[in-house]
Amino acid sequence: GENVEQHPSTLSVQEGDSAVIKCTYSDSASNYFPWYKQELGKRPQLIIDIRSNVGEKKDQRIAVTLNKTAKHFSLHITETQPEDSAVYFCAATRHPGYALNFGKGTSLLVTP
Amino acid sequence: NAGVTQTPKFQVLKTGQSMTLQCAQDMNHNSMYWYRQDPGMGLRLIYYSASEGTTDKGEVPNGYNVSRLNKREFSLRLESAAPSQTSVYFCASSGGARETQYFGPGTRLLVL
Repeated sequence: GENVEQHPSTLSVQEGDSAVIKCTYSDSASNYFPWYKQELGKRPQLIIDIRSNVGEKKDQRIAVTLNKTAKHFSLHITETQPEDSAVYFCAATRHPGYALNFGKGTSLLVTP
Repeated sequence: NAGVTQTPKFQVLKTGQSMTLQCAQDMNHNSMYWYRQDPGMGLRLIYYSASEGTTDKGEVPNGYNVSRLNKREFSLRLESAAPSQTSVYFCASSGGARETQYFGPGTRLLVL
């Protein structure tokens, strides 16, 4: 089955700095890579996703890049703000609508 | 439009007791999922249902059963609860044009 590894497990940045979270996956047939943000005590919520026919996608301060050859993808958050503090999960699956295989999460802390 | 709802929000069980976690979605999604979330482990798939009338095992199905009662509802049953099943349980559904997966608010289960 698919194995998704996520690094780092914790990340602390100062407000205004950039944050990068990296994930690797094992199944070369995976084609859909969503990122979820989970605030303390809340449900995971989708913040951005990318499909294998695209190498990069941006949405305001958030961007995701995908390297299918190397089987890794990354989340980039620019100009971080304290409200970006949360746990971020990457996931991979063969098709949107299939069950997701999650990484173990990155706890991001943005300090003022 | 409530999205994905779960009941109960919190439950304490004694070892050996049984209970059913309820999940419902009002988005007309075909696929539904049950995940468990443990500290440092990310989200792990317990069972999923690709459509009404079908269910399949995920990564950690032992000790659980599921029922896809109809298109809206997908329940998770613990027949004989064990302390190892102490966790936060999330239900999710996916569908629509982009097949985005949406999560419920979670059920916190403590087994003593």
